[in-house]
Amino acid sequence: GESVGLHLPTLSVQEGDNSIINCAYSNSASDYFIWYKQESGKGPQFIIDIRSNMDKRQGQRVTVLLNKTVKHLSLQIAATQPGDSAVYFCAENKGGSYIPTFGRGTSLIVHP
Amino acid sequence: DGGITQSPKYLFRKEGQNVTLSCEQNLNHDAMYWYRQDPGQGLRLIYYSQIVNDFQKGDIAEGYSVSREKKESFPLTVTSAQKNPTAFYLCASSYWQGGYTFGSGTRLTVV
Repeated sequence: GESVGLHLPTLSVQEGDNSIINCAYSNSASDYFIWYKQESGKGPQFIIDIRSNMDKRQGQRVTVLLNKTVKHLSLQIAATQPGDSAVYFCAENKGGSYIPTFGRGTSLIVHP
Repeated sequence: DGGITQSPKYLFRKEGQNVTLSCEQNLNHDAMYWYRQDPGQGLRLIYYSQIVNDFQKGDIAEGYSVSREKKESFPLTVTSAQKNPTAFYLCASSYWQGGYTFGSGTRLTVV
Protein backbone atom coordinates (compact mmCIF):
# COMPACT_ATOMS: atom_id res chain seq x y z
CA GLY A 1 0.00 0.00 0.00
CA GLU A 2 0.95 3.63 -0.27
CA SER A 3 3.27 4.77 2.48
CA VAL A 4 2.60 7.86 4.55
CA GLY A 5 6.38 8.08 4.84
CA LEU A 6 6.90 8.92 1.17
CA HIS A 7 9.13 12.00 0.74
CA LEU A 8 9.43 12.61 4.50
CA PRO A 9 12.74 13.22 6.28
CA THR A 10 14.21 9.82 7.04
CA LEU A 11 16.33 8.52 9.90
CA SER A 12 18.00 5.14 9.38
CA VAL A 13 19.48 3.33 12.37
CA GLN A 14 20.76 -0.11 13.26
CA GLU A 15 18.83 -2.30 15.66
CA GLY A 16 20.02 -1.63 19.20
CA ASP A 17 21.09 1.95 18.53
CA ASN A 18 19.44 4.91 20.22
CA SER A 19 17.32 7.12 17.94
CA ILE A 20 16.65 10.82 18.26
CA ILE A 21 13.84 12.41 16.28
CA ASN A 22 13.51 16.16 16.28
CA CYS A 23 10.62 18.56 15.88
CA ALA A 24 10.58 22.34 15.68
CA TYR A 25 7.27 23.77 16.81
CA SER A 26 5.81 27.03 15.66
CA ASN A 27 3.84 28.70 18.43
CA SER A 28 5.56 30.05 21.54
CA ALA A 29 2.15 29.99 23.28
CA SER A 30 1.83 26.21 22.87
CA ASP A 31 1.74 24.51 26.24
CA TYR A 32 1.06 20.84 25.50
CA PHE A 33 3.02 18.58 23.17
CA ILE A 34 2.50 15.02 22.00
CA TRP A 35 4.49 12.49 20.01
CA TYR A 36 2.68 9.99 17.77
CA LYS A 37 3.83 6.87 15.96
CA GLN A 38 2.18 5.87 12.69
CA GLU A 39 2.82 2.55 11.00
CA SER A 40 2.07 2.18 7.32
CA GLY A 41 -1.66 1.93 6.60
CA LYS A 42 -2.64 2.49 10.23
CA GLY A 43 -3.82 5.36 12.39
CA PRO A 44 -1.36 7.28 14.60
CA GLN A 45 -0.77 5.99 18.11
CA PHE A 46 -0.02 8.12 21.16
CA ILE A 47 3.52 7.60 22.45
CA ILE A 48 4.20 10.25 25.07
CA ASP A 49 3.21 13.80 25.97
CA ILE A 50 4.72 16.70 27.88
CA ARG A 51 3.40 19.98 29.24
CA SER A 52 5.30 23.23 29.01
CA ASN A 53 6.05 23.32 32.74
CA MET A 54 8.40 20.37 32.23
CA ASP A 55 11.54 19.98 30.13
CA LYS A 56 11.85 16.20 30.22
CA ARG A 57 9.52 13.23 30.55
CA GLN A 58 10.35 9.55 30.38
CA GLY A 59 8.31 6.56 29.37
CA GLN A 60 9.18 3.00 28.56
CA ARG A 61 12.22 3.23 26.25
CA VAL A 62 11.18 6.73 25.19
CA THR A 63 12.10 10.17 26.47
CA VAL A 64 10.74 13.52 25.32
CA LEU A 65 12.79 16.67 25.75
CA LEU A 66 11.32 20.15 25.47
CA ASN A 67 13.40 23.28 24.90
CA LYS A 68 11.04 26.22 25.00
CA THR A 69 13.81 28.74 24.38
CA VAL A 70 14.36 27.50 20.84
CA LYS A 71 10.90 25.92 20.40
CA HIS A 72 12.33 22.44 19.95
CA LEU A 73 11.00 19.04 20.90
CA SER A 74 12.81 15.74 20.61
CA LEU A 75 11.90 12.09 21.01
CA GLN A 76 14.59 9.68 22.09
CA ILE A 77 14.06 5.95 21.61
CA ALA A 78 16.46 3.69 23.46
CA ALA A 79 17.64 0.37 22.02
CA THR A 80 15.67 0.81 18.81
CA GLN A 81 13.98 -2.32 17.48
CA PRO A 82 12.67 -3.21 13.99
CA GLY A 83 9.13 -2.80 15.35
CA ASP A 84 9.90 0.86 15.95
CA SER A 85 10.05 1.46 12.19
CA ALA A 86 7.28 3.98 11.47
CA VAL A 87 6.58 7.64 10.87
CA TYR A 88 6.87 9.76 14.01
CA PHE A 89 5.31 13.18 14.29
CA CYS A 90 4.85 15.77 16.95
CA ALA A 91 1.80 17.86 17.76
CA GLU A 92 1.50 21.11 19.71
CA ASN A 93 -1.54 22.56 21.47
CA LYS A 94 -2.04 26.14 22.44
CA GLY A 95 -3.75 26.60 25.78
CA GLY A 96 -7.52 26.81 25.41
CA SER A 97 -7.59 25.10 22.03
CA TYR A 98 -8.94 21.69 21.15
CA ILE A 99 -7.04 21.69 17.89
CA PRO A 100 -3.37 20.69 17.81
CA THR A 101 -0.99 21.55 15.02
CA PHE A 102 0.73 18.49 13.59
CA GLY A 103 4.22 18.34 12.15
CA ARG A 104 4.95 16.53 8.85
CA GLY A 105 6.76 13.70 10.52
CA THR A 106 10.01 11.77 10.26
CA SER A 107 10.27 8.28 8.86
CA LEU A 108 12.34 5.99 11.11
CA ILE A 109 13.84 2.90 9.47
CA VAL A 110 15.45 0.32 11.74
CA HIS A 111 17.78 -2.18 10.09
CA PRO A 112 18.14 -5.60 11.73
CA ASP B 1 -12.36 -1.91 25.54
CA GLY B 2 -12.94 1.70 24.60
CA GLY B 3 -11.84 2.89 21.24
CA ILE B 4 -12.61 4.61 17.98
CA THR B 5 -13.74 2.65 14.93
CA GLN B 6 -13.59 3.75 11.32
CA SER B 7 -15.26 1.90 8.48
CA PRO B 8 -14.77 0.81 5.85
CA LYS B 9 -11.01 0.30 5.74
CA TYR B 10 -10.98 0.66 1.94
CA LEU B 11 -13.50 2.57 -0.17
CA PHE B 12 -13.74 3.14 -3.90
CA ARG B 13 -15.63 6.04 -5.39
CA LYS B 14 -16.73 6.60 -8.94
CA GLU B 15 -16.60 10.03 -10.50
CA GLY B 16 -19.56 12.16 -9.44
CA GLN B 17 -20.52 9.91 -6.54
CA ASN B 18 -20.94 10.87 -2.89
CA VAL B 19 -19.53 8.48 -0.31
CA THR B 20 -19.80 8.44 3.48
CA LEU B 21 -17.07 7.38 5.89
CA SER B 22 -18.12 6.16 9.30
CA CYS B 23 -16.49 7.06 12.64
CA GLU B 24 -17.76 5.79 16.00
CA GLN B 25 -16.20 6.19 19.45
CA ASN B 26 -17.12 4.78 22.85
CA LEU B 27 -14.58 6.80 24.84
CA ASN B 28 -17.15 9.40 25.95
CA HIS B 29 -15.00 12.06 24.27
CA ASP B 30 -16.66 15.38 23.62
CA ALA B 31 -14.70 16.37 20.54
CA MET B 32 -14.30 14.55 17.25
CA TYR B 33 -12.27 15.39 14.17
CA TRP B 34 -11.67 14.40 10.57
CA TYR B 35 -8.25 14.67 8.96
CA ARG B 36 -6.95 13.98 5.50
CA GLN B 37 -3.46 12.56 5.03
CA ASP B 38 -1.59 12.56 1.73
CA PRO B 39 1.82 10.91 1.22
CA GLY B 40 4.66 12.96 2.66
CA GLN B 41 2.34 15.53 4.18
CA GLY B 42 1.11 16.29 7.65
CA LEU B 43 -2.46 15.86 8.80
CA ARG B 44 -4.87 18.43 7.40
CA LEU B 45 -8.03 19.21 9.34
CA ILE B 46 -11.30 18.85 7.40
CA TYR B 47 -13.99 19.34 10.06
CA TYR B 48 -14.25 19.12 13.82
CA SER B 49 -17.03 19.02 16.39
CA GLN B 50 -16.76 19.95 20.04
CA ILE B 51 -20.34 19.09 21.02
CA VAL B 52 -23.37 17.33 19.59
CA ASN B 53 -25.21 19.19 16.83
CA ASP B 54 -22.33 21.59 16.32
CA PHE B 55 -19.34 21.40 13.99
CA GLN B 56 -16.77 23.73 12.49
CA LYS B 57 -14.87 23.83 9.22
CA GLY B 58 -11.21 23.06 9.30
CA ASP B 59 -8.54 24.08 6.81
CA ILE B 60 -9.79 22.02 3.84
CA ALA B 61 -13.57 21.68 4.28
CA GLU B 62 -14.55 22.33 0.65
CA GLY B 63 -16.14 19.27 -0.95
CA TYR B 64 -16.84 17.58 2.40
CA SER B 65 -19.78 17.54 4.81
CA VAL B 66 -20.32 16.16 8.31
CA SER B 67 -23.03 15.67 10.92
CA ARG B 68 -22.93 15.17 14.69
CA GLU B 69 -26.32 13.90 15.76
CA LYS B 70 -24.90 11.68 18.49
CA LYS B 71 -21.90 12.11 20.77
CA GLU B 72 -20.51 8.77 19.61
CA SER B 73 -20.74 9.31 15.87
CA PHE B 74 -19.21 11.76 13.38
CA PRO B 75 -19.67 10.58 9.77
CA LEU B 76 -17.88 12.33 6.91
CA THR B 77 -19.39 12.59 3.42
CA VAL B 78 -17.03 13.15 0.52
CA THR B 79 -19.15 14.86 -2.10
CA SER B 80 -18.74 15.02 -5.87
CA ALA B 81 -17.53 18.61 -5.38
CA GLN B 82 -14.27 17.27 -3.91
CA LYS B 83 -12.13 17.05 -7.04
CA ASN B 84 -9.19 15.16 -5.60
CA PRO B 85 -10.60 12.83 -2.94
CA THR B 86 -8.05 10.02 -3.15
CA ALA B 87 -6.36 10.03 0.26
CA PHE B 88 -6.14 8.37 3.66
CA TYR B 89 -8.83 9.72 6.00
CA LEU B 90 -8.36 9.68 9.76
CA CYS B 91 -10.97 10.26 12.44
CA ALA B 92 -9.96 11.21 15.97
CA SER B 93 -11.58 12.08 19.28
CA SER B 94 -10.43 13.80 22.46
CA TYR B 95 -11.31 15.47 25.70
CA TRP B 96 -10.55 19.18 25.85
CA GLN B 97 -6.83 19.65 25.14
CA GLY B 98 -6.23 15.99 25.64
CA GLY B 99 -4.24 13.67 23.49
CA TYR B 100 -6.09 12.44 20.49
CA THR B 101 -7.20 8.88 20.00
CA PHE B 102 -7.15 8.08 16.30
CA GLY B 103 -9.08 5.51 14.33
CA SER B 104 -7.33 3.09 12.00
CA GLY B 105 -8.21 5.11 8.90
CA THR B 106 -10.12 4.73 5.65
CA ARG B 107 -8.29 4.70 2.33
CA LEU B 108 -10.48 6.27 -0.34
CA THR B 109 -9.66 5.78 -4.01
CA VAL B 110 -11.39 7.27 -7.03
CA VAL B 111 -11.91 4.74 -9.83
